[in-house]
Amino acid sequence: NAGVTQTPKFQVLKTGQSMTLQCAQDMNHEYMSWYRQDPGMGLRLIHYSVGAGITDQGEVPNGYNVSRSTTEDFPLRLLSAAPSQTSVYFCASGTGSYEQYFGPGTRLTVT
Amino acid sequence: KQEVTQIPAALSVPEGENLVLNCSFTDSAIYNLQWFRQDPGKGLTSLLLIQSSQREQTSGRLNASLDKSSGRSTLYIAASQPGDSATYLCAVRDPYNQGGKLIFGQGTELSVKP
Repeated sequence: NAGVTQTPKFQVLKTGQSMTLQCAQDMNHEYMSWYRQDPGMGLRLIHYSVGAGITDQGEVPNGYNVSRSTTEDFPLRLLSAAPSQTSVYFCASGTGSYEQYFGPGTRLTVT
Repeated sequence: KQEVTQIPAALSVPEGENLVLNCSFTDSAIYNLQWFRQDPGKGLTSLLLIQSSQREQTSGRLNASLDKSSGRSTLYIAASQPGDSATYLCAVRDPYNQGGKLIFGQGTELSVKP
């Protein structure tokens, strides 16, 4: 199993550009989520999904969209990048007992 | 609102020492508690998961305990090694969130000196 994979590993965007961060898992987990990690703020939940076709907002959803068309994939879209979205983004997937597994992260810089 | 605190923020110990990392949470209504390790520039690796009905979990040199009534968990690392150097994060699962939302502490940065 590859576990949770994320692409790209690094990305630099200009303010106003859009992009999609990819996340995939091969463990057949129903639960998937996106977190961002910022110094002094810790990890915060952006969006999550409890199964294909079902998504909901977390603590900091503004400026981000998600969709879940398959069990395996959970992409995160930045609609119009802002410097405040400079962060490290982690995707996670979870089992029925809610043990969560994290991907390696995407480091995003918005200039 | 649930808050998770980890003290100290940083810890430096000599190799071979046994050590304890602390995690406290304000709301005892948790579904479970999970300890993670994060190496610099890397993702989070799950170390131990303790369900709310359990008191402790063990994996190799690691032992995690949970006391819901006092809002505390500890991660005990026996015979520490330089390879244990990393940031350790604890997270509680929010029981009011259907999607398994985790609420994280700020982490303890551990350095084990040879």
